[in-house]
Amino acid sequence: DVKVTQSSRYLVKRTGEKVFLECVQDMDHENMFWYRQDPGLGLRLIYFSYDVKMKEKGDIPEGYSVSREKKERFSLILESASTNQTSMYLCASSPRGTGLGNTIYFGEGSWLTVV
Amino acid sequence: AQTVTQSQPEMSVQEAETVTLSCTYDTSENNYYLFWYKQPPSRQMILVIRQEAYKQQNATENRFSVNFQKAAKSFSLKISDSQLGDTAMYFCAFMRGFGNEKLTFGTGTRLTIIP
Repeated sequence: DVKVTQSSRYLVKRTGEKVFLECVQDMDHENMFWYRQDPGLGLRLIYFSYDVKMKEKGDIPEGYSVSREKKERFSLILESASTNQTSMYLCASSPRGTGLGNTIYFGEGSWLTVV
Repeated sequence: AQTVTQSQPEMSVQEAETVTLSCTYDTSENNYYLFWYKQPPSRQMILVIRQEAYKQQNATENRFSVNFQKAAKSFSLKISDSQLGDTAMYFCAFMRGFGNEKLTFGTGTRLTIIP
């Protein structure tokens, strides 16, 4: 079974802290994504990556950065956490070029609270 | 840019009944894919059903079926013989064709199946 693992399920951080959210997939997928989920807003794309060391901004990249040094790992970075970044963060991965949503796999999510 | 609209924030239905969740979308693309994802309380996002825009036949997966109206840009999900395990958030999502695997999500419908 494909597995997308988000290392932290629940985090509480202070305003101004640097936060790392880690995501690892075990299926050699080229594509990886970070989404943010908020009530009433659905899922919104923060950043995505089509290959190692490649990244592209999604719909809401402000306040975030990403790192993809290895194919299996995609990290989301909050340089200086703020309370409006309190949210659920979902990582996903998929192989390249399929164009079919049944090959997009999601992690279980990371609940981040910034106080 | 694509937009996906789910106009029903919450719905509830008695067990064994049929329920229909609505979704409309806006795009200028001609080649695209549409999906319904389910997110149970455990938070793991699961693909329920997908539809290729070039196919006129509505997709069906066991108790789940869609009513795809391309001209109206409508993509509703029908759940027949609803079960307690169908209780979840349901998200409608859009993906452009030609290997672009980014998903644009609607705001979700919280479905509760009442015993």
